[in-house]
Amino acid sequence: EAGVAQSPRYKIIEKRQSVAFWCNPISGHATLYWYQQILGQGPKLLIQFQNNGVVDDSQLPKDRFSAERLKGVDSTLKIQPAKLEDSAVYLCASSWLRTGNEQFFGPGTRLTVL
Amino acid sequence: AQSVTQPDIHITVSEGASLELRCNYSYGATPYLFWYVQSPGQGLQLLLKYFSGDTLVQGIKGFEAEFKRSQSSFNLRKPSVHWSDAAEYFCAVQLGAGSYQLTFGKGTKLSVIP
Repeated sequence: EAGVAQSPRYKIIEKRQSVAFWCNPISGHATLYWYQQILGQGPKLLIQFQNNGVVDDSQLPKDRFSAERLKGVDSTLKIQPAKLEDSAVYLCASSWLRTGNEQFFGPGTRLTVL
Repeated sequence: AQSVTQPDIHITVSEGASLELRCNYSYGATPYLFWYVQSPGQGLQLLLKYFSGDTLVQGIKGFEAEFKRSQSSFNLRKPSVHWSDAAEYFCAVQLGAGSYQLTFGKGTKLSVIP
């Protein structure tokens, strides 16, 4: 079974530029999550999709972050414009639609904003 | 609001020694509890989880964890550490039925001395 795929693995941009991350979840997983992991901290949920609908985006900075999951499969997370404090690893995870089910994580995208 | 505390930021043990990583949570009811491991440049991998029943849970790679309701703790243990166990370990909670969001602790980095 293929795991969660993410690209790119690394990205360096200047502040005020825009950037996009892509995630392909495990086949059949209805639920998809984007987490932000700042150095020295645990992952923090940004947004959760169930199929192609948003379940929870309460911690997403909506003035600059956006995410979509077209057709309930792949997802894209965008930052526009980026700030220095957005430097972090962005993790995508997916799971079956059931509480307590394991969330499978991708390798993440490490973003550096200069 | 629920919170997860991992009081040890960094632990160093000798190979072959025993290991215990601490985790405490703050929540009115017993949440679902998880331990994840993150190796450098990798996504998070589930080690074990607790929902109910036997308070001693066995996981992968020889790890186990014990849930203690009276102490609101879910400590991770391993009787004999291997050099390959060097990684960062995250405790996480999920509120329970109907909730999918994971709240992570800040992590404990484990170093292993050969």
